[in-house]
Amino acid sequence: AQSVSQHNHHVILSEAASLELGCNYSYGGTVNLFWYVQYPGQHLQLLLKYFSGDPLVKGIKGFEAEFIKSKFSFNLRKPSVQWSDTAEYFCAATHNAGNMLTFGGGTRLMVKP
Amino acid sequence: DSGVTQTPKHLITATGQRVTLRCSPRSGDLSVYWYQQSLDQGLQFLIQYYNGEERAKGNILERFSAQQFPDLHSELNLSSLELGDSALYFCASTPSAGGGTDTQYFGPGTRLTVL
Repeated sequence: AQSVSQHNHHVILSEAASLELGCNYSYGGTVNLFWYVQYPGQHLQLLLKYFSGDPLVKGIKGFEAEFIKSKFSFNLRKPSVQWSDTAEYFCAATHNAGNMLTFGGGTRLMVKP
Repeated sequence: DSGVTQTPKHLITATGQRVTLRCSPRSGDLSVYWYQQSLDQGLQFLIQYYNGEERAKGNILERFSAQQFPDLHSELNLSSLELGDSALYFCASTPSAGGGTDTQYFGPGTRLTVL
């Protein structure tokens, strides 16, 4: 069965620290990968997505993610976090047969000022 | 603002009751997706409609049903409600039916509490 897993459920960082959130997927065939963010009280927003090509994908707000096929991973990174990055982050995947997203369990990030 | 609207924002009801959640997609989007976010199950895909027709089904209970109307808004009907149905229900929309690469734009959600 298709699945997405996120290793860290809660992460606490100080401002200016570097961030890396893990995401692994289990999919047969071609996979498309996404990172969504949910700020407190707001709707899910797309940070970045990967379909093909350059495995290093840059998104909004200074985030990037690297697709490593051999490790079935799509980790999210940011060199220096800000207090405003406090949110819940979701890794998700689709396959080319359809748009329905399979989500990981989410990672709650708290950035201390 | 994603352009996807959902009503109501909050809904409190009792076990055994039936409720209807409403979603209006972004202008021009033909596909609507429903997701449930709960503490124990996380974010799960329920069902997709494209241009009025059911397109894909996920972990949707038989007590739940959905439809998409000619003006493309969608309704999710939840009946014989149980305590475990308490969750945040999101809808999302995309221009096309599939392909896997569309960005889904999410609405603000409806928080359902079953007492």
